[in-house]
Amino acid sequence: SQQGEEDPQALSIQEGENATMNCSYKTSINNLQWYRQNSGRGLVHLILIRSNEREKHSGRLRVTLDTSKKSSSLLITASRAADTASYFCATVLVLNNNNDMRFGAGTRLTVKP
Amino acid sequence: ETGVTQSPTHLIKTRGQQVTLRCSSQSGHNTVSWYQQALGQGPQFIFQYYREEENGRGNFPPRFSGLQFPNYSSELNVNALELDDSALYLCASSFPGDNEQFFGPGTRLTVL
Repeated sequence: SQQGEEDPQALSIQEGENATMNCSYKTSINNLQWYRQNSGRGLVHLILIRSNEREKHSGRLRVTLDTSKKSSSLLITASRAADTASYFCATVLVLNNNNDMRFGAGTRLTVKP
Repeated sequence: ETGVTQSPTHLIKTRGQQVTLRCSSQSGHNTVSWYQQALGQGPQFIFQYYREEENGRGNFPPRFSGLQFPNYSSELNVNALELDDSALYLCASSFPGDNEQFFGPGTRLTVL
């Protein structure tokens, strides 16, 4: 399956600590994206990393991609209580303009004030 | 520029009924994808529409169908509702290709 699988399923940390979430997948991809979701609402795009990239940064977010291991990680530095949410990785394979995006089950992050 | 909107926000139906969910894509986006998200799970890809035609489909039965209109808005129709169809239905719009998708707030469907 192309679908990503996140690890851990749940993570609880103190404000100010770093949070690391991992994603593994099984097939070739064009890119991998990370999304955030608050309490069953719509998903918000965080960052996209292409298959020929190894690392990307956006503010307090750092994403790595290892295509040889078919894995990615999302690091949130200096976490805040407002970072509490579910985080999903999504693998994308493009075929005939079809943006086939498959999500994992997500990591539930709780940041305690 | 307006974001992705979905209607209704909540819906309650009974088994066997039919439902239509609606989505307006973000301005300029011609591709719309629909996802089903069960409680505690990640979104599952239902199908994608590009220029009014289905352009990819996930592992969902034919009773899940859709439409895309010339203004790129879209509908998801589900016939013969089952209890397991209870979920958050998300629509996302994008440009074709491997770009990020912009999600709407979702429609919470409950089937009794």
